Amino acid sequence: SQTIHQWPATLVQPVGSPLSLECTVEGTSNPNLYWYRQAAGRGLQLLFYSVGIGQISSEVPQNLSASRPQDRQFILSSKKLLLSDSGFYLCAWSGEDYNEQFFGPGTRLTVL
Amino acid sequence: EDKVVQSPLSLVVHEGDTVTLNCSYEVTNFRSLLWYKQEKKAPTFLFMLTSSGIEKKSGRLSSILDKKELFSILNITATQTGDSAIYLCAVFDNTDKLIFGTGTRLQVFP
Repeated sequence: SQTIHQWPATLVQPVGSPLSLECTVEGTSNPNLYWYRQAAGRGLQLLFYSVGIGQISSEVPQNLSASRPQDRQFILSSKKLLLSDSGFYLCAWSGEDYNEQFFGPGTRLTVL
Repeated sequence: EDKVVQSPLSLVVHEGDTVTLNCSYEVTNFRSLLWYKQEKKAPTFLFMLTSSGIEKKSGRLSSILDKKELFSILNITATQTGDSAIYLCAVFDNTDKLIFGTGTRLQVFP
């Protein structure tokens, strides 16, 4: 069966520090991968999606970036965090045969 | 620009009430509509709808899609306190992007 992991679960970082959130998927190959952010009181906002290694599409201009160094690994990064980057970050995957997206447990990021 | 709009934004009811949550969309190349329930962390899948007029049911929850009028509703009958959550509506386009609404926050009090 397929599983999706995210880490860390919780992160508190100072403004201006770098960020690296990792997401890995097991039990499937060539998944479509997604990063979402959920800010307090707001819906899920698609940040990046990837249909294959090295292929990243950005949905919202910001100081975040994403990379996909391996088929089942998706990384969300920032060189310098802003206060507005605080939120709940969710990674998700979907397969070619499924319309549903499966979510990871999420990372709660607080930037102080 | 593609968008998904949910209403109401927030709803407070008593146990036993029936609620209807609304989701309207404007999405180019619509493929399917999904409903999720989000309690504390990651959303959990409820329904996927692709055809108009076919009701999906799971216990006290049901949902239906109208592709002509571009909306979907999620019904919850005989609500319980455990139904308290944010209910998210999302639409898949044919590029595999999932566009979410802002969600409806449902609170059920005993």
